[in-house]
Amino acid sequence: DVKVTQSSRYLVKRTGEKVFLECVQDMDHENMFWYRQDPGLGLRLIYFSYDVKMKEKGDIPEGYSVSREKKERFSLILESASTNQTSMYLCASSPAGGVYTDTQYFGPGTRLTVL
Amino acid sequence: GEDVEQSLFLSVREGDSSVINCTYTDSSSTYLYWYKQEPGAGLQLLTYIFSNMDMKQDQRLTVLLNKKDKHLSLRIADTQTGDSAIYFCAESPGTASKLTFGTGTRLQVTL
Repeated sequence: DVKVTQSSRYLVKRTGEKVFLECVQDMDHENMFWYRQDPGLGLRLIYFSYDVKMKEKGDIPEGYSVSREKKERFSLILESASTNQTSMYLCASSPAGGVYTDTQYFGPGTRLTVL
Repeated sequence: GEDVEQSLFLSVREGDSSVINCTYTDSSSTYLYWYKQEPGAGLQLLTYIFSNMDMKQDQRLTVLLNKKDKHLSLRIADTQTGDSAIYFCAESPGTASKLTFGTGTRLQVTL
C-alpha cells in the first residue's frame, strides 16, 4: 500500500514564527503536492513538485515556500506564519506516467493553528 | 481556469441511496475522480472514470458522466452510517498530473 505520512497531526504556532510541515512518501513517486483545505473552499493547491529540486506554484503560493531535496520528502515552509494560514494542510503524491498518473495518494493531514 | 462545483451538504437515511452531484467547466478533462474524506483523515480515492465512458459501477458505487453537460454524479446504494464523510470530485486533463477539486459534499447518514 502507498503510504504518505505527515510529521504532525496537530500544530499550534504563533504569528511570525517560521513553520515547517514535512511529508514523506514510501512509493518512489515522482510527483508530490501540498494543499490546504478550508470549509466551503475545498482543496486548494499551494505548490507541487515533479522531481527532486523542482517546484511549481499552485493556485495559492503566496506566503509559502517548498523544498524537495530528496525524492521521498516534500516540505512546506511558512516563512512568517499569519493567522489566515490557520488551516488543514494535506500532502499527496502520485506516480509519473501511465494510466494512473493523476491518481493522488494523500497523507492524514496537519491541522495548523496560528495564534 | 478550471472550476469544479458541488453542493455542500446531503442528508440521507440509512438504507436509502445517496446521489452526490458535481459539475465542472474544463472541456479537456480526461479523468474524473471521487475521493472520500472521513473525519480527521486524509482523502482516499474511491473511484475514477475516463471521459470516454458514461458509467462505471463498482459494488455499491455507480458513477455517471454526462460529458455534454459536464456533469458527474456518484450514487451510493444502500447507504450505511460508515459512508458518512466528505466526498470530493476532482478532474484532470490527464497531462499535467494536477487535479482540480470541488468544494466537497458532506454526506450525513441518519438512522
